[in-house]
Amino acid sequence: DTEVTQTPKHLVMGMTNKKSLKCEQHMGHRAMYWYKQKAKKPPELMFVYSYEKLSINESVPSRFSPECPNSSLLNLHLHALQPEDSALYLCASSPPGGRQGPMNTEAFFGQGTRLTVV
Amino acid sequence: DQQVKQNSPSLSVQEGRISILNCDYTNSMFDYFLWYKKYPAEGPTFLISISSIKDKNEDGRFTVFLNKSAKHLSLHIVPSQPGDSAVYFCAADRGNEKLTFGTGTRLTIIP
Repeated sequence: DTEVTQTPKHLVMGMTNKKSLKCEQHMGHRAMYWYKQKAKKPPELMFVYSYEKLSINESVPSRFSPECPNSSLLNLHLHALQPEDSALYLCASSPPGGRQGPMNTEAFFGQGTRLTVV
Repeated sequence: DQQVKQNSPSLSVQEGRISILNCDYTNSMFDYFLWYKKYPAEGPTFLISISSIKDKNEDGRFTVFLNKSAKHLSLHIVPSQPGDSAVYFCAADRGNEKLTFGTGTRLTIIP
């Protein structure tokens, strides 16, 4: 199994709603990531979890709240979002840091959740 | 401050010819480079990577070249096929679990 699975694929939410994005992988990867991608822009890193602990927060507003319940799951809780938060949200996973080989930092990406905030 | 740049937003290549996608970086701390391919409404898919200790890595139709002194890398696809039409991102890593993506190049293969 070399997949990263994200649900839902599409989400429309109001500015007062609370919703969650989910991400799952069963490759034994111990690093998981949330990226945000706006149209015609590169993916931008939001959060990194390493061994289920938050290791990087790229100054993301608190209306985005990540959670890593176990080594296979990564959630992104959304609350009081703004229309400008509409984007494709990508989850990725990779083997843990600390290079052990040339392919060690390959990140596998999910299909993404297309989020629209209205 | 865009540390990884792809100066060509788009590129069109005839089917069967070579596609060359370029990427420049500014941070000398980057020591591992990757190319990803992305179709619309999908996540990026890993293509090929190269460590800074090498200057070339080849995998089938895909070859990545790294010129450290020029802080430049390129992806060669030969022969180009219609299914190669996508957006290609280069990405750089400095061993801190943080990929920095380039701005992307939209490759169109003309039948």
